[in-house]
Amino acid sequence: NAGVTQTPKFQVLKTGQSMTLQCAQDMNHEYMSWYRQDPGMGLRLIHYSVGAGITDQGEVPNGYNVSRSTTEDFPLRLLSAAPSQTSVYFCASRQLLNTGELFFGEGSRLTVL
Amino acid sequence: DAKTTQPPSMDCAEGRAANLPCNHSTISGNEYVYWYRQIHSQGPQYIIHGLKNNETNEMASLIITEDRKSSTLILPHATLRDTAVYYCIVRVSNTGNQFYFGTGTSLTVIP
Repeated sequence: NAGVTQTPKFQVLKTGQSMTLQCAQDMNHEYMSWYRQDPGMGLRLIHYSVGAGITDQGEVPNGYNVSRSTTEDFPLRLLSAAPSQTSVYFCASRQLLNTGELFFGEGSRLTVL
Repeated sequence: DAKTTQPPSMDCAEGRAANLPCNHSTISGNEYVYWYRQIHSQGPQYIIHGLKNNETNEMASLIITEDRKSSTLILPHATLRDTAVYYCIVRVSNTGNQFYFGTGTSLTVIP
């Protein structure tokens, strides 16, 4: 059971480049979300989804796009990367029912030069 | 979702109980208290959650005050591997779709 898988683990971009962080889960979870973590800031919610075709904004959505075409995948897109988006990104998923425990991926470290 | 307040850092001697406090004075009646921890730069890990009653599992105990305005996570016998950042979160279980983590408490277990 792989759980939540994020790719890539490390990425370096130049300002203005675009890229997609991938997130996949094999637990049939309805809910998926993206967080970013910066030093001294804790984790901040970017976007989340409660099912295929449904997405919503979190605390810090600007500069990021998401889509949810399948239950398993929830990619995070940076259309024009900025140095302020240098961060560690975590994907998390959970069942909507029951306790709602969040399962996290191992993170993707992004550096924008 | 209600906000939480935690001390930024704490120390605990190895083998002793670690008691991590959390204030959530604006919590609503249907909001649960969740605790997660993050070891080094890994993804956060679920520890425990509760609504009104005290809860215990193989990792920790959660003590919630009667007025539910604060709670304490207890690691009964702290080990060096418990050194981590601990996050206290309150949210409406099942229907609340956003976990707000805040900055947590950095616990250092001292040999």
